[in-house]
Amino acid sequence: LAKTTQPISMDSYEGQEVNITCSHNNIATNDYITWYQQFPSQGPRFIIQGYKTKVTNEVASLFIPADRKSSTLSLPRVSLSDTAVYYCLVAPYSSASKIIFGSGTRLSIRP
Amino acid sequence: GAVVSQHPSRVICKSGTSVKIECRSLDFQATTMFWYRQFPKQSLMLMATSNEGSKATYEQGVEKDKFLINHASLTLSTLTVTSAHPEDSSFYICSAGTIQETQYFGPGTRLLVL
Repeated sequence: LAKTTQPISMDSYEGQEVNITCSHNNIATNDYITWYQQFPSQGPRFIIQGYKTKVTNEVASLFIPADRKSSTLSLPRVSLSDTAVYYCLVAPYSSASKIIFGSGTRLSIRP
Repeated sequence: GAVVSQHPSRVICKSGTSVKIECRSLDFQATTMFWYRQFPKQSLMLMATSNEGSKATYEQGVEKDKFLINHASLTLSTLTVTSAHPEDSSFYICSAGTIQETQYFGPGTRLLVL
């Protein structure tokens, strides 16, 4: 299972764009990159998933360089409600594949 | 996305008693479900993989006789914490996913052992 490394914490302000980078140097060919968001006392919530290049949905964008050894989650115009822990996970694209969580990034948004 | 539920959302029990936590996939069938435990300010720790119709696979260091897992149907997995002690107090989370799709997580169950 590929190990991931993320910043422990980040701070930003409302209305700013926030980019959280994750390093996964030993990612395997069949691994996908998935980001989850977790609020206190709640289960993680799926944000976005990708394999290469760029993926965008209604809440975020995911940028993956050609070597796939890192990825960047981009949150446009954050609000106070985006304060949460964000986890970058790497695993094969299958519901049967176990996921090992890293430490995550604690994002704090200020007014 | 797929919906995963857990019951109860929180439970308080006395030391020495057993507690059962249910994890259900509401709108899909899940051959495999996963159980995690999370302590305050820490990340999720994978406890075991629950396989429908077969024995669960436990991660290293997790006592299989203490954390009993049953996956009797394609929509239900249960975790029973036997002879619970205060150190078992934690936030327990399950996850499941449809075939060829990412995993979705339940809302979690807060266990407090007095």
